[in-house]
Amino acid sequence: AAGVIQSPRHLIKEKRETATLKCYPIPRHDTVYWYQQGPGQDPQFLISFYEKMQSDKGSIPDRFSAQQFSDYHSELNMSSLELGDSALYFCASSLGRRDYEQYFGPGTRLTVT
Amino acid sequence: DQQVKQNSPSLSVQEGRISILNCDYTNSMFDYFLWYKKYPAEGPTFLISISSIKDKNEDGRFTVFLNKSAKHLSLHIVPSQPGDSAVYFCAATDNYGQNFVFGPGTRLSVLP
Repeated sequence: AAGVIQSPRHLIKEKRETATLKCYPIPRHDTVYWYQQGPGQDPQFLISFYEKMQSDKGSIPDRFSAQQFSDYHSELNMSSLELGDSALYFCASSLGRRDYEQYFGPGTRLTVT
Repeated sequence: DQQVKQNSPSLSVQEGRISILNCDYTNSMFDYFLWYKKYPAEGPTFLISISSIKDKNEDGRFTVFLNKSAKHLSLHIVPSQPGDSAVYFCAATDNYGQNFVFGPGTRLSVLP
């Protein structure tokens, strides 16, 4: 069965640069969640979308923005990157805003130098 | 293909009874397993973990059991309390932490 796809899997950027992370949910899933997991930390909820509308907002910095497109894929745009943004970024998808049966992608490892 | 599976999307348990949440994995390279608890619109928070060199780890009311040959682990909560109601994610990682995989989660409802 198809899983959540995240691209790229690894990304290296310099301070003050921008980055765009992409998430392709499981087919028919209409809800996407973004999490940021720093080294040795719990994943922090950033933001979620349901049916292309922002659903919940967590600890997403103002430098970050995200959206969900008509094909339900989502992009997380990160600007003015800081060293502290280095983390593993997970995307998860579910059907109908269920917070369980939330299928995680493999993550994008962002390194800011 | 899912490397970490939680086949029960939801579970309801009476307060005071035992809650058992199950998790199966397929990748034999996984050697460290974690359970997370999650509330709506929040990130998963770490609960308890177990290394593959152990078969049991206990922390208060929470015990995780690992059966490596069956590639199966379970989280036991005894006694269950209403505050335990949340979504529980199982996660697995390999020795280098490069491959970190979450299961889809199980919603636990503890009824008063």
